[in-house]
Amino acid sequence: DTGVSQNPRHKITKRGQNVTFRCDPISEHNRLYWYRQTLGQGPEFLTYFQNEAQLEKSRLLSDRFSAERPKGSFSTLEIQRTEQGDSAMYLCASSSGVTDYTEAFFGQGTRLTVV
Amino acid sequence: QQPVQSPQAVILREGEDAVINCSSSKALYSVHWYRQKHGEAPVFLMILLKGGEQKGHEKISASFNEKKQQSSLYLTASQLSYSGTYFCGTEVGGNKLVFGAGTILRVKS
Repeated sequence: DTGVSQNPRHKITKRGQNVTFRCDPISEHNRLYWYRQTLGQGPEFLTYFQNEAQLEKSRLLSDRFSAERPKGSFSTLEIQRTEQGDSAMYLCASSSGVTDYTEAFFGQGTRLTVV
Repeated sequence: QQPVQSPQAVILREGEDAVINCSSSKALYSVHWYRQKHGEAPVFLMILLKGGEQKGHEKISASFNEKKQQSSLYLTASQLSYSGTYFCGTEVGGNKLVFGAGTILRVKS
């Protein structure tokens, strides 16, 4: 196991198109997080899964955003009708969740550019 | 509710020490520190929990003042590999982290 894997690494799309990103967490990590990071800022929380259940969504996540984690393994983040303001790095992280406070391991992210 | 980090940037020579601070306006359950190099994923450094427990790397130390809602990361005898952006993430409940804007550290030879 080499860590959290995200695909694609880069995505350029035209405004109004839909995009989907994939995250493969570390094996047997039951918690999975999606964050968004813009230049010069720290990661912003988007949503969080405990196994297959989506337990929390940020108010930042508009109706155009949807995330799934079928069977509690990989996760997908879809953005519909993309806007230029969606351009950012989308980071996925996973943790073992054995206790409430365990370190999260981040993937290298998917950089989205909306033109 | 984003924690405030200071300084925003710092430049060191190899071997010098640095302190990075993180302050929150909310009561904290824990503080997490990460380092991110350009174009790479944030890498976990340390967790500080209420009650004084720490989990992290041997060469990095940190403090957590629960009453003041502050944490500090101590980098001693800095090396070129320490360069990057350091983020603190505060946990205020709900198993999610709220990250600061980051502190850019550059170590020169």
